[in-house]
Amino acid sequence: DTEVTQTPKHLVMGMTNKKSLKCEQHMGHRAMYWYKQKAKKPPELMFVYSYEKLSINESVPSRFSPECPNSSLLNLHLHALQPEDSALYLCASRRVGGRDTQYFGPGTRLTVL
Amino acid sequence: GQQLNQSPQSMFIQEGEDVSMNCTSSSIFNTWLWYKQDPGEGPVLLIALYKAGELTSNGRLTAQFGITRKDSFLNISASIPSDVGIYFCAGHAGTASKLTFGTGTRLQVTL
Repeated sequence: DTEVTQTPKHLVMGMTNKKSLKCEQHMGHRAMYWYKQKAKKPPELMFVYSYEKLSINESVPSRFSPECPNSSLLNLHLHALQPEDSALYLCASRRVGGRDTQYFGPGTRLTVL
Repeated sequence: GQQLNQSPQSMFIQEGEDVSMNCTSSSIFNTWLWYKQDPGEGPVLLIALYKAGELTSNGRLTAQFGITRKDSFLNISASIPSDVGIYFCAGHAGTASKLTFGTGTRLQVTL
């Protein structure tokens, strides 16, 4: 089983709203990722959690706040977003050690009005 | 951030034709991954390569890890309409924590 799940599938929010994106995996992977993807572009790395600790923050604005409550869950809290933040947000996970391969979730399509 | 050179950028082919695309890097990679992405969906892993020279197949797909460790190719044989999508190569150049992505190859298949 190489499944990563994400909710919601679609999200529309105003610039003053607070919302959260959720990601879950049950593969025992100890590294989890958030990516942002604009149309026709490759995914852009935002955050990496390794063993539930934030290990990489790619200079992401503070209106995006990640959280890793446990080894299976990853959240992305959104507050005061801008219309240019509209994109497909992807979660991925990776087994640390051995043959490292990232598996992606289906994504959340976010629209900021 | 760094990107891999992926070519071609787009391809329009007829059903039944074979397809070839490749990725090149200026630095050595330790892992090459090939993903397919449908519109509005997440990338799906097609093939993973871990050793220089490795040749791996997955159904009609074949990929190779270049012996210089600076390139990889993906071939699709006898294309069908469901092969339509964007294909991304990706790799680890150093730390396994971060993937570097290619710019993508958009494949269109006509009947």
